[in-house]
Amino acid sequence: SQTIHQWPATLVQPVGSPLSLECTVEGTSNPNLYWYRQAAGRGLQLLFYSVGIGQISSEVPQNLSASRPQDRQFILSSKKLLLSDSGFYLCAFEGFYGYTFGSGTRLTVV
Amino acid sequence: TQLLEQSPQFLSIQEGENLTVYCNSSSVFSSLQWYRQEPGEGPVLLVTVVTGGEVKKLKRLTFQFGDARKDSSLHITAAQPGDTGLYLCAGVTHGSARQLTFGSGTQLTVLP
Repeated sequence: SQTIHQWPATLVQPVGSPLSLECTVEGTSNPNLYWYRQAAGRGLQLLFYSVGIGQISSEVPQNLSASRPQDRQFILSSKKLLLSDSGFYLCAFEGFYGYTFGSGTRLTVV
Repeated sequence: TQLLEQSPQFLSIQEGENLTVYCNSSSVFSSLQWYRQEPGEGPVLLVTVVTGGEVKKLKRLTFQFGDARKDSSLHITAAQPGDTGLYLCAGVTHGSARQLTFGSGTQLTVLP
């Protein structure tokens, strides 16, 4: 079966510190992968998507970057976090019937 | 920029009542998906509607895609406390990768 793993579940980081969130997918090959950010109780904003290894498309210019070093691995990074980077980050892959999301990472920048 | 407007933003009803959530856009989508999300979790796909005018039923939930494929509705009959959650519609567009444009969400609370 196809599964997606995202970690950590929660993270508290000081302003100016680096960030690395990791997402891995199992049970599928060459999936389209996505990073979203969600404000509390609201819709999701697409940050990055990838159609293959090393292929990253950015939807919103910001303090974040993404990388796909392996087929089923998608990483969201920042060199220096800002307070405005706080939020709920979700990784997803596209399956036949729709998107499957990870359980999310709650990032608080203090 | 494609936008999906959902209404109402918040809805609090008593168990047993019926409700409808609306999802509207000025853009045409190839298909539209509905997700339900619980606190601290990722959204879970409920249904995908593809054809204009299509109606899909999932137990007490009825989903409809507008004829012009610009809008959709979710109707819940005899709501239960277990239906509580954030409901999100998402329009699908095709580019280099299929992308979802999410609505703003409807927070539903069903009181026992």
